[in-house]
Amino acid sequence: IAGITQAPTSQILAAGRRMTLRCTQDMRHNAMYWYRQDLGLGLRLIHYSNTAGTTGKGEVPDGYSVSRANTDDFPLTLASAVPSQTSVYFCASRGADRNNYGYTFGSGTRLTVV
Amino acid sequence: EDQVTQSPEALRLQEGESSSLNCSYTVSGLRGLFWYRQDPGKGPEFLFTLYSAGEEKEKERLKATLTKKESFLHITAPKPEDSATYLCAVHGGSNYKLTFGKGTLLTVNP
Repeated sequence: IAGITQAPTSQILAAGRRMTLRCTQDMRHNAMYWYRQDLGLGLRLIHYSNTAGTTGKGEVPDGYSVSRANTDDFPLTLASAVPSQTSVYFCASRGADRNNYGYTFGSGTRLTVV
Repeated sequence: EDQVTQSPEALRLQEGESSSLNCSYTVSGLRGLFWYRQDPGKGPEFLFTLYSAGEEKEKERLKATLTKKESFLHITAPKPEDSATYLCAVHGGSNYKLTFGKGTLLTVNP
């Protein structure tokens, strides 16, 4: 089934540890995105990539890094986790079809930093 | 800076009681306005894209409309399975980033 796969589904992480959230899509979409969703704040863009080999900063990039070595994968790394990074993280990709221009989202990774 | 405000924050309806959700936006050069549905513990699910004022789109009991300043998501004769958070987002500018509102939590009681 075409879509986005995120892993892990959930994780409890000690503060100061490094963590990579995985995201893979099989729709050959060029653009991919990482959002975090927090109660009362909604979805906020962390980083994005318009095509393989390029990345850009979103609204809340501090403490996060991304890479886009190929079209399918877009991992998000927390170099040294802090409790304020406790959140639900969503990966998304965008198709180019004007009739279905919306993003496709993964099921999310629930991260708790303690 | 693009901004999206959704109202109400929460809405409780009886089954069959039609209503509307509002999404007000400010954006420099609207490229698209999007509606998503999000169920608890799931990622947002794409519903509609609207591109220009006057445009309307329908899907089952949902109809989305767009003006130059706001969009409405009309829900006709809702059922309990329509209960979810409905998110509105806009795309303005040239790099295809979406700005989301905080959502409306819809509860439909049987």
